[in-house]
Amino acid sequence: EIVLTQSPGTLSLSPGERATLSCRASQSVGSSSLAWYQQKPGQAPRLLIYGASSRATGIPDRFSGSGSGTDFTLTISRLEPEDFAVYYCQQYGNSLTFGGGTKVEIK
Amino acid sequence: EVQLVESGGALVQPGRSLRLSCAASGFTFEDYAMHWVRQAPGKGLEWVSGVNWNGGGTGYAASVRGRFTISRDNAKNSLYLQMDALGAEDTALYYCAKGHTSGWYCYLDYWGQGTLVTVSS
Repeated sequence: EIVLTQSPGTLSLSPGERATLSCRASQSVGSSSLAWYQQKPGQAPRLLIYGASSRATGIPDRFSGSGSGTDFTLTISRLEPEDFAVYYCQQYGNSLTFGGGTKVEIK
Repeated sequence: EVQLVESGGALVQPGRSLRLSCAASGFTFEDYAMHWVRQAPGKGLEWVSGVNWNGGGTGYAASVRGRFTISRDNAKNSLYLQMDALGAEDTALYYCAKGHTSGWYCYLDYWGQGTLVTVSS
């Protein structure tokens, strides 16, 4: 099983700042088979990024993904008020697993 | 518009069984893999199980393997999760999610709102 470790656990930032979230895999994730999701309280998760760097339909371009192998990053270039949420990475190269999540909170 | 509506969640005693259902609409159900993902109260997401487009390929998390069974009925546009030998650790909100492709190694592009399973005596 591929274990995904997300860091930091919590990120405290102000609107307008840049957020950098990390997702590290215990072994290489084939074909960059990594996705990112956003979840707000009381809501289902929403797909943001797939294939490590492709934005899902309707996702603003302030969200970007990068990385390959075992190290992946989600970057939010300038935080908007609606971006404060929990973010999860998920690999689908070998079965499916989720990371533990990073909470982006208002500083 | 893609819609996924889960049902079947309930309060159930330890050791008992429960069957969850997910009714899908707004897309060609038989073309896509489907999954169950759960979230314990205040915790993160945990993938539970997935099934490919025709039900011929399935996968399970180690925590549920041998106790849960995923299935689908393409004629009814429905996904199911049979949960046996339930324990307190299975208490969670269970989401139904659509895969982006026919095989079950995939990302999840649409999610339902979840159905709550509580295991307690």
